[in-house]
Amino acid sequence: DAKTTQPNSMESNEEEPVHLPCNHSTISGTDYIHWYRQLPSQGPEYVIHGLTSNVNNRMASLAIAEDRKSSTLILHRATLRDAAVYYCILRDLNQGGKLIFGQGTELSVKP
Amino acid sequence: GAGVSQSPRYKVAKRGQDVALRCDPISGHVSLFWYQQALGQGPEFLTYFQNEAQLDKSGLPSDRFFAERPEGSVSTLKIQRTQQEDSAVYLCASSSTGRRAEAFFGQGTRLTVV
Repeated sequence: DAKTTQPNSMESNEEEPVHLPCNHSTISGTDYIHWYRQLPSQGPEYVIHGLTSNVNNRMASLAIAEDRKSSTLILHRATLRDAAVYYCILRDLNQGGKLIFGQGTELSVKP
Repeated sequence: GAGVSQSPRYKVAKRGQDVALRCDPISGHVSLFWYQQALGQGPEFLTYFQNEAQLDKSGLPSDRFFAERPEGSVSTLKIQRTQQEDSAVYLCASSSTGRRAEAFFGQGTRLTVV
C-alpha cells in the first residue's frame, strides 16, 4: 500500500490561510490523492481529492506537484471549526478503493 | 437518515464476551469498509465488501474477527471472545463505485472491553 508522510501537528491563526503538506513519493499512476479530516469524536469526513490537476471546492483547494510526489491541502481562511486531524491518503480504485490512513496532521486554530 | 449509521454507539463488553456491531450504509452504496481506530491513532483498515462479496479481509487482526454483508446492504462486524486490546472505535464507511467516489463514514462504535 502506498504511504504518505505528514507533519504530526500544525498551528494556525483564525482567518489566516493554512497549507498542510503531504509527501507521497511512492505514488502510482492509478492512485488518487484524497484528503479527509476527523473532528473529535466524529468519523472521518471527506475534504477533497485529485489525480493530477489542482482542485478547488467549497471546503478547500488541493495543489498537486507536477511529479505527483507531494501535495498540499489549502484552507483559505481557517476557522475554529477547522481544528481537526487531517489525513492525506492515496486511494487506488483498482484495488477496491480502500483508504489507508496514516497518522495525519493535527491542526489547531488559535483565535 | 441519509448518512452511514452505526449501532450501538457505545458498547462495554466483559473480556471473553462476543459482540456484534452493525453498520447501515448509505442506500445504494456498493462498497463498504470497516476500520478500527485506537485512541490517538489513525483508522486501520479491517475489511472491504463490494455488494455481498468480501473482497479484502487482509486487515482483520485475528480469526476472532468476522464480518458479513449477506444482502449487500447492512453489514455486521462480529468479535468473538473479546480481549482488552480489542478496545477501540470501530468505523464503517460506504461509497458508490466510480473513480470519483468519496467514502462516507459513520460516527463509529466505541467498544470498551473490561
